[in-house]
Formats: sequence, structure tokens, C-alpha cells
Amino acid sequence: GNSVTQMEGPVTLSEEAFLTINCTYTATGYPSLFWYVQYPGEGLQLLLKATKADDKGSNKGFEATYRKETTSFHLEKGSVQVSDSAVYFCALSHNNAGNMLTFGGGTRLMVKP
Amino acid sequence: NAGVTQTPKFQVLKTGQSMTLQCAQDMNHNSMYWYRQDPGMGLRLIYYSASEGTTDKGEVPNGYNVSRLNKREFSLRLESAAPSQTSVYFCASSGLGQGVNGYTFGSGTRLTVV
Repeated sequence: GNSVTQMEGPVTLSEEAFLTINCTYTATGYPSLFWYVQYPGEGLQLLLKATKADDKGSNKGFEATYRKETTSFHLEKGSVQVSDSAVYFCALSHNNAGNMLTFGGGTRLMVKP
Repeated sequence: NAGVTQTPKFQVLKTGQSMTLQCAQDMNHNSMYWYRQDPGMGLRLIYYSASEGTTDKGEVPNGYNVSRLNKREFSLRLESAAPSQTSVYFCASSGLGQGVNGYTFGSGTRLTVV
């Protein structure tokens, strides 16, 4: 079946540090890949997405590239801010009936000033 | 603002009580979902409705029932609450052919069963 594996957190960084959160997946065919962000006390918000191999999703300074050869979709940001502190979820979708999403376990990011 | 609305935001139940969590979306989405989020376990799918008139079990359906009342509304019912159902519950929706766009989530219902 489909699965998503994320690095365990928490990840603690100083402001302006470089961020990488690893995400790998197991799936047949060609899923779409997503990163969601959850700020404290809120629901999940779509951060970025990629729908085919070698696509790069980007938003708010975050980037992730769909790597089919390594089945990965790692999230990166060049310079994090305190306001980026949140939980980040990697997910995949097979665009099948019901548009089912499979989520990773989430990675908590804490950015210190 | 358009989106997914969940009620209530917070609820405390005694073991054995029943309640219904409400969810409504105004984006004309076909598919709706209920997830629970527990510490260290990410999101787990309870039930989903691919389209109006259909519902299917997800990963953790035991102890829950759902109703897709119409295209807008998808409710989750706990018939006899148990402490193991203490969690944060999220409703989400997605449009037809929009699997590539992912889901829109509600802000969650924090449920405590004592």
C-alpha cells in the first residue's frame, strides 16, 4: 500500500538557518505529492505541491522537488524565521476515487530567535 | 470566507455519552473526509465520502458513524464515547478531479472524553 515517511522531530533551528525536512514515499504509479503546514491551534494548510517527476513546488520561500528515482520530496528553505515554527506534513495522493491522501507522521519545527 | 467549517471547536464528554461533530463546506466539493490527529501519530482517516450519497471506512472507523447529509455537510457521530477517542478531529474536502490540489481542512474539534 501507499505510505509516507518523514524525519522525526522536533527540528530546532536558529533564525536564518537552512531547513531540510526529509520525506520519502512508497507508492505504485505516479502520485501527486504535497507539503502541508499546521500552525499551533489551527488546521492544516496546503504549503506546496508537485504532480509529476522533477516538478518543483514552491511557496513562501519553501521548495520541494519530486524525485521519482529516490521516491523523495524533501522540504527546504534557505533562511527560516520564527514565524515558520509549525508542524509540517508530507502527503501523497493517487487521484483515485475519493482523492485519497496518505499523510506522513508530521515533523515539528521550532525556530529560535 | 469560503472553506470548511467545523463545530464545535471544543467538547468534553463523559464516557458513554454520544455526540455529533458537524462539518460543512461551501466550495461545491464532491469529496469529504474525517481525520483524527493524535500526538506522534499524524493524521488517520476515519471515514470518507467520495461523493454525495456514498460513505466508506478509512483506517480507524471503529466507534464512529458518519452521514453525508447533502453535498455540503458530512457529520461524524460517536455513539458511546470512550477515553481512547480523545483526540483532535479534522474535517476536509476536495473537489472532483482535484486530487492534484489536495484538501481544504477545517480548523478542528478538540474532543476530550473523561
